[in-house]
Amino acid sequence: QKEVEQNSGPLSVPEGAIASLNCTYSDRGSQSFFWYRQYSGKSPELIMSIYSNGDKEDGRFTAQLNKASQYVSLLIRDSQPSDSATYLCAVIRGSYIPTFGRGTSLIVHP
Amino acid sequence: NAGVTQTPKFRILKIGQSMTLQCTQDMNHNYMYWYRQDPGMGLKLIYYSVGAGITDKGEVPNGYNVSRSTTEDFPLRLELAAPSQTSVYFCASSYPGGDYNEQFFGPGTRLTVL
Repeated sequence: QKEVEQNSGPLSVPEGAIASLNCTYSDRGSQSFFWYRQYSGKSPELIMSIYSNGDKEDGRFTAQLNKASQYVSLLIRDSQPSDSATYLCAVIRGSYIPTFGRGTSLIVHP
Repeated sequence: NAGVTQTPKFRILKIGQSMTLQCTQDMNHNYMYWYRQDPGMGLKLIYYSVGAGITDKGEVPNGYNVSRSTTEDFPLRLELAAPSQTSVYFCASSYPGGDYNEQFFGPGTRLTVL
C-alpha cells in the first residue's frame, strides 16, 4: 500500500514568517514529487515539483527532497495571508499515477 | 484554452438515482483521472485512463463506471447513488513524459445524495 503522510494541521504562522510543510512517503521507488495548493472550495493547483535530491526554489517557495529519508518538504518564506490554504503533497512512481496525502491546512494570520 | 471543464457544478441526487458527471479537456492530454474528495481528506483516485479506449480502476472504484471514447472526454457514471457518494468530484488530466507530470484539475462537481 503506497502511503503519503502529511500532518493535517492546521499550521498557524504569523505574516512574514517561514511556513514549513512536511510530507513522508512509503514507496522507495517514487520518482516525482509535487506540492499543490488548494483554496477552500476550489480545485488544486500545482505550485512546485521536484525530482532530484536537494532544494528547488521558485520565488518564495522552496521544495526540499530527501529520498534516503523518504520525505519532501515545502518552505514558504515571507508568508502572506493569501498563502492560507490546504497544501497537498503528491508522489508518483513510474506509472504516472499520483498518490495524494490528506493535505496540511496552513493559516497565515496578520 | 479552457483547460479542464466539468459539468454540472452542483447536483443533488436521491438515493438510487443515476447520473453522469461530464469532463472535457482541450489540452490533448492522454492521461485523465477522476478523484473524489471528502471533507478534510485528500484526493482518492476513482478511475483513470491512459488514452482513448483504455481505462483502469483506482483506489475507490465501487459504485462508479467510466468510458473514454475520445481523447477529450472522460465521463464518470454513478449508478444507484448512495449517501456514501456525497463528495466533491474532480476531473484532472496530464501529459506524462520527462519532467511533465503536472495534473491539471477541473473546477469540481459538488454532489449530495439524500
